[in-house]
Amino acid sequence: TQLLEQSPQFLSIQEGENLTVYCNSSSVFSSLQWYRQEPGEGPVLLVTVVTGGEVKKLKRLTFQFGDARKDSSLHITAAQPGDTGLYLCAGVRSNFGNEKLTFGTGTRLTIIP
Amino acid sequence: GAGVSQSPRYKVAKRGQDVALRCDPISGHVSLFWYQQALGQGPEFLTYFQNEAQLDKSGLPSDRFFAERPEGSVSTLKIQRTQQEDSAVYLCASSLGLARGYEQFFGPGTRLTVL
Repeated sequence: TQLLEQSPQFLSIQEGENLTVYCNSSSVFSSLQWYRQEPGEGPVLLVTVVTGGEVKKLKRLTFQFGDARKDSSLHITAAQPGDTGLYLCAGVRSNFGNEKLTFGTGTRLTIIP
Repeated sequence: GAGVSQSPRYKVAKRGQDVALRCDPISGHVSLFWYQQALGQGPEFLTYFQNEAQLDKSGLPSDRFFAERPEGSVSTLKIQRTQQEDSAVYLCASSLGLARGYEQFFGPGTRLTVL
């Protein structure tokens, strides 16, 4: 059962356009992570946001954690074909020593050259 | 190797067969996690080890699923009497563990197909 809903589920846009992916939950998380997964590989961590309202930038990617720590967004500026992949958000409820991840439903992004 | 490795990468089983999936975590990593990723979905937590102790197995879908990490390093996920609904990618992740904020590093996964 996925407790984190991501939207959109699929997104196909032209190179150079901007896009935003959303991750929403009714639960509060101590932190939230964003991953990118390529076919045949495991997820790779992009960023961790911890504080409500926090904004982090990673080159053309901007991540925001909601004030109530229940939702997050990922904004990509001037998308490139190399951004293509499955984007996953994952929430962490800190249970000391066991930071099992609760993943979202995923957003499959395709950037058309 | 530098990362988490899993074997086999692909496994095809006939319904009712037993399978064993292996995970080699990054050397020195205390925590080890197993996740199940169905086609088109995000991964779902199965079980967690801290060294050799299995501290959380709340995500295992049935008693046909069993995981072990006897020496606190390599882990094996065993599925008995496989069913078609077990078809998925099984991901292993390891981390330094024991405190907040340690990154989980994922292996490439084992794709299990049950016919």
